[in-house]
Formats: sequence, C-alpha cells, structure tokens
Amino acid sequence: DVKVTQSSRYLVKRTGEKVFLECVQDMDHENMFWYRQDPGLGLRLIYFSYDVKMKEKGDIPEGYSVSREKKERFSLILESASTNQTSMYLCASSLGRAGEIETQYFGPGTRLLVL
Amino acid sequence: KQEVTQIPAALSVPEGENLVLNCSFTDSAIYNLQWFRQDPGKGLTSLLLIQSSQREQTSGRLNASLDKSSGRSTLYIAASQPGDSATYLCAVMIMEYGNKLVFGAGTILRVKS
Repeated sequence: DVKVTQSSRYLVKRTGEKVFLECVQDMDHENMFWYRQDPGLGLRLIYFSYDVKMKEKGDIPEGYSVSREKKERFSLILESASTNQTSMYLCASSLGRAGEIETQYFGPGTRLLVL
Repeated sequence: KQEVTQIPAALSVPEGENLVLNCSFTDSAIYNLQWFRQDPGKGLTSLLLIQSSQREQTSGRLNASLDKSSGRSTLYIAASQPGDSATYLCAVMIMEYGNKLVFGAGTILRVKS
C-alpha cells in the first residue's frame, strides 16, 4: 500500500511566520504535488516536482516555495504566512513512469490557521 | 484551460436510494478521469479511475462512466447507505507536462438513515 504522510494534521501560526509543511511518500514515486483546498474552490495545485531538486509552478504558486532534496520528501514553505493562506493543504505523489497507469495518492492533509 | 464542473454541489437522499453525481470537463484531451471520496477533515481516497480509452469502471455499488467526446462523467451509487456520506470529487488528468490533475469543486453527499 502506498503511504503518503504529512508532518502535522493541524497547525496554528502567526502572520509573518515562516511555515514548513512536510510530506513523505514510501513508494519510490517520481512525482509529488502540493495542493490547497478551500470551500467551493476544490483543490488547486500550488507546486509539483517530477524529480529530486526539480520543481514546477502550479496554478497558484504566489507566496509559496518548495524543496525536494530527497526523492521521498517534498516540503512546502510559506516564507511569510498571511491570513489568506489559511487553508487545508494536501500532498500527493504518483508513479510518474511511462506506460504505467497514473494515479495520485494523497496524504491526510494539514489544516493551517494563520492568525 | 481545462475546467471541471460538478453538479449538484450538494445532495441529500434517504438511505437505499440510487443516485447519480455528474462531472463535466471542457477539454477532451485527458489521460484519465478519477472519482475520489473525501471524509470531513481527511485526505482523498481514490474510488474509480477510467482511462481515456475506457467507457466505464465498476467497484462494488459504484459505477463510473466516461464520455470523452461530450466531456462528461457520471458516478452512480446503488442502494446508498449512511456510510456513503462524504464529499465526492471528480478530477481529470490532463495531457500536459507533469501529469497534473484538475479537480472539480465536489459534491457533498448526505445519506439519511
């Protein structure tokens, strides 16, 4: 079974703080993704990575950065948290190999509140 | 740009009823379409994945169909149960670098006992 874990289920931070959200997958997947989920908007892609040290912007990258130093770990960084970044953050991973059926496996999510 | 729409936004049905959730997408150039389930405050669980060359997939009481030419998918739930209460999300994997998913906003389902 694929397992995607996220470092925290709930976080409360203050405006201006630097925030790290960690995601780890144990299935040697190539691709990893960070989404945020807000009521009525569904999931929106923030950043994704298709290899170690590689990253690509998604649809809403502003105010975020990412780091992928090891294949199994993908970190989302809020350089200076703002109240409009209060949201549910979901990490996912996928195999990313040609010829294979591609699906994404999701972590349990981190609910972040920025005060 | 691919857009995914789900109708209805919310649905409340009595236990035992058969129901249909709808998903539409604007660009037929997709790798696959997935239906996910999300329980409150939790992550997503994949229910069914339909490859672009397929018309439907079934798992237990769930059946998902795909009509790529019209940009539509339906999720059929037979004999609904209170345990089916959750948010159901439709997502298409687009033919773009990175195998990205584009999600609909979801349908919140409540099955009353």
